[in-house]
Amino acid sequence: EVQLVESGGGLVQPGRSLKLSCAASGFTFSNYYMAWVRQAPKKGLEWVATISTSGSRTYYPDSVKGRFTISRDNAKSSLYLQMNSLKSEDTATYYCARPSYNWFAYWGQGTLVTVSS
Amino acid sequence: IQLTQSPSLLSASVGDRVTLSCKGSQNINNYLAWYQQKLGEAPKLLIYKTNSLQTGIPSRFSGSGSGTDYTLTISSLHSEDLATYYCYQYNNGLTFGSGTKLEIK
Repeated sequence: EVQLVESGGGLVQPGRSLKLSCAASGFTFSNYYMAWVRQAPKKGLEWVATISTSGSRTYYPDSVKGRFTISRDNAKSSLYLQMNSLKSEDTATYYCARPSYNWFAYWGQGTLVTVSS
Repeated sequence: IQLTQSPSLLSASVGDRVTLSCKGSQNINNYLAWYQQKLGEAPKLLIYKTNSLQTGIPSRFSGSGSGTDYTLTISSLHSEDLATYYCYQYNNGLTFGSGTKLEIK
């Protein structure tokens, strides 16, 4: 059974940094692209980042490019999201997701990030 | 590509046939998926590539469409279908619609 468990969320001040983690199990992690998707409170869904199997290729929307960095450790079956220069509009639940081709087939339960002074 | 979902709120009765709409600002080339999100839960994949049913999803859910216009149909509404439904395109970039909240009368 595919399991994705996020951690690392919390309250952070604007301009500060936070790193999220996602522990994967139930599949061969190194064989799959991985991604992060977020959802602001009572809002819709927004794709945040995708990483290739080796980690050599990463993709971001303009809204986070240059501030967020996705990375992975295949030996630990773990996915990460380093978030710098956080803004209030980054407040959201962040989901770790495993794509199948380009759609997100499996999701974690999410971790809440609140950016506020 | 921007996705517009309609209606934003839909109220229906158990047993009803329900149709949700998703319209793209450009041709999506059938690269469209549908997600169901229940309150407090992560989204769940229902449909991918316009009309392919994800494993384990009940057959009362179906998808159709082409070009810019797509539809999710629930053939006979069950009470557990109370949720918000999002369409998602992966033809040009990766974007979600704003959602249709489905209420049970």
